[in-house]
Amino acid sequence: SQQGEEDPQALSIQEGENATMNCSYKTSINNLQWYRQNSGRGLVHLILIRSNEREKHSGRLRVTLDTSKKSSSLLITASRAADTASYFCRPGSNYKLTFGKGTLLTVNP
Amino acid sequence: EAQVTQNPRYLITVTGKKLTVTCSQNMNHEYMSWYRQDPGLGLRQIYYSMNVEVTDKGDVPEGYKVSRKEKRNFPLILESPSPNQTSLYFCASSLRDPYEQYFGPGTRLTVT
Repeated sequence: SQQGEEDPQALSIQEGENATMNCSYKTSINNLQWYRQNSGRGLVHLILIRSNEREKHSGRLRVTLDTSKKSSSLLITASRAADTASYFCRPGSNYKLTFGKGTLLTVNP
Repeated sequence: EAQVTQNPRYLITVTGKKLTVTCSQNMNHEYMSWYRQDPGLGLRQIYYSMNVEVTDKGDVPEGYKVSRKEKRNFPLILESPSPNQTSLYFCASSLRDPYEQYFGPGTRLTVT
């Protein structure tokens, strides 16, 4: 199976700053999903963007999708200490695609 | 409350002693999946099921078995556990694939 690859592997910012993380994939997709994982806990679904959408917002989250470049980005605005977590993308298609290794985001108070 | 439950949450066992980790969802989801998570390796899929009686291998199926006799349950069976199966295991479900998945709280397994 192929997986999404998140970049960077780790990101450390100050509270109030914006955080951007990226995801690249290799095959065509139906949608792309972003998840958050707090240490040792189950992943929580954040947002799903369909292949015919270019941008989607949910609260402080903004996701973009560029199917021509096979990439997506997740922007978290005005970050808070509670946003400290690992973030994973999951490209969704008819092929077996799974999760990458994630981006570890640390938001310092 | 819509949820995915796993039991047990923590388990310490010895090499070779068969064990089963249960997974149950109450959302009438068709798709269920098992993952293991290890430091530096991310989340790797073990097995998945598209519907009742339909299962398929993920990336790391060796040493594991699954069954899907009912829609709500998807147990993970380790017939003869070995230390390299020490890991954090997650069960997940979704209405169907490839839509958003709901994860259980995880089972931390240690095989000595």
